[in-house]
Amino acid sequence: ETGVTQTPRHLVMGMTNKKSLKCEQHLGHNAMYWYKQSAKKPLELMFVYNFKEQTENNSVPSRFSPECPNSSHLFLHLHTLQPEDSALYLCASSQGSGGSSTDTQYFGPGTRLTVL
Amino acid sequence: GQNIDQPTEMTATEGAIVQINCTYQTSGFNGLFWYQQHAGEAPTFLSYNVLDGLEEKGRFSSFLSRSKGYSYLLLKELQMKDSASYLCARGAGNMLTFGGGTRLMVKP
Repeated sequence: ETGVTQTPRHLVMGMTNKKSLKCEQHLGHNAMYWYKQSAKKPLELMFVYNFKEQTENNSVPSRFSPECPNSSHLFLHLHTLQPEDSALYLCASSQGSGGSSTDTQYFGPGTRLTVL
Repeated sequence: GQNIDQPTEMTATEGAIVQINCTYQTSGFNGLFWYQQHAGEAPTFLSYNVLDGLEEKGRFSSFLSRSKGYSYLLLKELQMKDSASYLCARGAGNMLTFGGGTRLMVKP
């Protein structure tokens, strides 16, 4: 158990659907992240939230809309996605959001998304 | 840029030792992480280096040379369960940048 949970674990959606991914961390961390992992590509950072405030948007298309109501919960709202958005979406959390040892990121199990 | 380079695939024999190398851009660097990721699972934290030298944790050790922008992960007494992808990640500013991962296959 990593203390970071994600739901759903698998999601199939059409290009006109609207769906949301949910992440919850039980570690008392202050920073949360969304990553995209496509086949044969590095993990791509999408968004960073620190104390509920978005601090990074890594040029993500507007069809992905994050929401962070508190430090324990993070959502990714999806609408009018494309087939190339099919990937594993990973949530992570850390104590801080730098690159030091206290900022080790702990990952959830991911949501495997397929866009038809 | 923030290029992080590591080999795509490696193969080793059960019981052997394997070294996975990683090179990275040095500007703004403030830490180097290694993660393990089994197929279909989340990455799990293995090690962190911020100072030059070797950090040992049981069968796994990680080395860092800041001046060379170089790190390696050393896995000893390989077991079949060590077959996984190993991700090198560079900390800079307020985020981590991950390499593409090295897929390690351990054979009997």
